[in-house]
Amino acid sequence: GDSVTQMEGPVTLSEEAFLTINCTYTATGYPSLFWYVQYPGEGLQLLLKATKADDKGSNKGFEATYRKETTSFHLEKGSVQVSDSAVYFCALSGLSNAGGTSYGKLTFGQGTILTVHP
Amino acid sequence: GAVVSQHPSWVICKSGTSVKIECRSLDFQATTMFWYRQFPKQSLMLMATSNEGSKATYEQGVEKDKFLINHASLTLSTLTVTSAHPEDSSFYICSARDWLAGVGSQYFGPGTRLTVL
Repeated sequence: GDSVTQMEGPVTLSEEAFLTINCTYTATGYPSLFWYVQYPGEGLQLLLKATKADDKGSNKGFEATYRKETTSFHLEKGSVQVSDSAVYFCALSGLSNAGGTSYGKLTFGQGTILTVHP
Repeated sequence: GAVVSQHPSWVICKSGTSVKIECRSLDFQATTMFWYRQFPKQSLMLMATSNEGSKATYEQGVEKDKFLINHASLTLSTLTVTSAHPEDSSFYICSARDWLAGVGSQYFGPGTRLTVL
């Protein structure tokens, strides 16, 4: 079945440091890939997504590129801020071939806790 | 953006009682909602897929008689934990799929913390 593996955390960085959180996946077909963020006390929010190979998702300075050859979707940010402290989840959604609509079922990685210090 | 609410945000109950958790999509219609369980410092585990007007689809290993799901309208799904026991204590999260908004348009509620004494 589908699975997502994230780098183990927690990750602790100083403000303005470069961030990489690795994510690899196993899936049949052509899944869509997502990064979700969960700030303390809040629900998960979609951070960015990519729906096909070589797509780059980006939002709030975060980027991730859908690499089919390496089955990866690593999250990067050039300069983190204290406000980026949160739990980050990589996820995939199985994609049907019917018009590109997604079944919607998400498979999550284990989550990576990021703490950014001033 | 789209908002999904959950009620209650936290609940404490005695062992053997039943607890109902509501999940509402506030500004869109959701024919499909999902229920997840999140253990401390662990990932979200999909419990079931809730489809409006039909029976929920449960993931392998999830007891359908213990975790009753009802999706009676396009904006409301409920999860009832029946005869709750301490091992059912967890963080329950719902999400709602906005099919009209395209791939990835799944919005999450803030979660419900259940503690069974």
